[in-house]
Amino acid sequence: EAGVTQFPSHSVIEKGQTVTLRCDPISGHDNLYWYRRVMGKEIKFLLHFVKESKQDESGMPNNRFLAERTGGTYSTLKVQPAELEDSGVYFCASSLYSENTEAFFGQGTRLTVV
Amino acid sequence: GEDVEQSLFLSVREGDSSVINCTYTDSSSTYLYWYKQEPGAGLQLLTYIFSNMDMKQDQRLTVLLNKKDKHLSLRIADTQTGDSAIYFCAEVPPSGTYKYIFGTGTRLKVLA
Repeated sequence: EAGVTQFPSHSVIEKGQTVTLRCDPISGHDNLYWYRRVMGKEIKFLLHFVKESKQDESGMPNNRFLAERTGGTYSTLKVQPAELEDSGVYFCASSLYSENTEAFFGQGTRLTVV
Repeated sequence: GEDVEQSLFLSVREGDSSVINCTYTDSSSTYLYWYKQEPGAGLQLLTYIFSNMDMKQDQRLTVLLNKKDKHLSLRIADTQTGDSAIYFCAEVPPSGTYKYIFGTGTRLKVLA
């Protein structure tokens, strides 16, 4: 069974450009999460989808970030326009239920804004 | 404090034991986790402990929990070079969903 996959693995863009990150969760997992690790700091929660609905987006830093999960399958996270402080590693995770089960993480997308 | 705290680096010799420490924030957190991130890989769940336990052992891994001090530790016995990675502790506050609060990560380097 395929795990959580993220594309691309690494992206380098210029300040002001747009970048879209993609996450394919484990098939059948209704719960999908985005996290971010900036500058070697802690990994911070961004948002949580249940199927196609945003359950909790309290961690989204500002309105330059837009997450979608059309059809409740894969998810995208768009940053527009990107700023230098957006550089970091973006992790996606999925789980079958929202509690009492393991959440599986992808390998992350390393975003570098120059 | 508001942050889950970990020391940033730990270096041990192959065959020795490693102890990675973590101070978490919410004494009512029900689950506490240890994740491992190898270079170029995602976060791999190593082990977890329920808050009503004070110790859990799983092969070379021993997790100790001190709820009074909100202190969590991970001991790796007979540390191998393949254990070199970043180790994150994480807590899940009692809202129940997987809104993990992670620490900064401890980079473990195992010297041959």
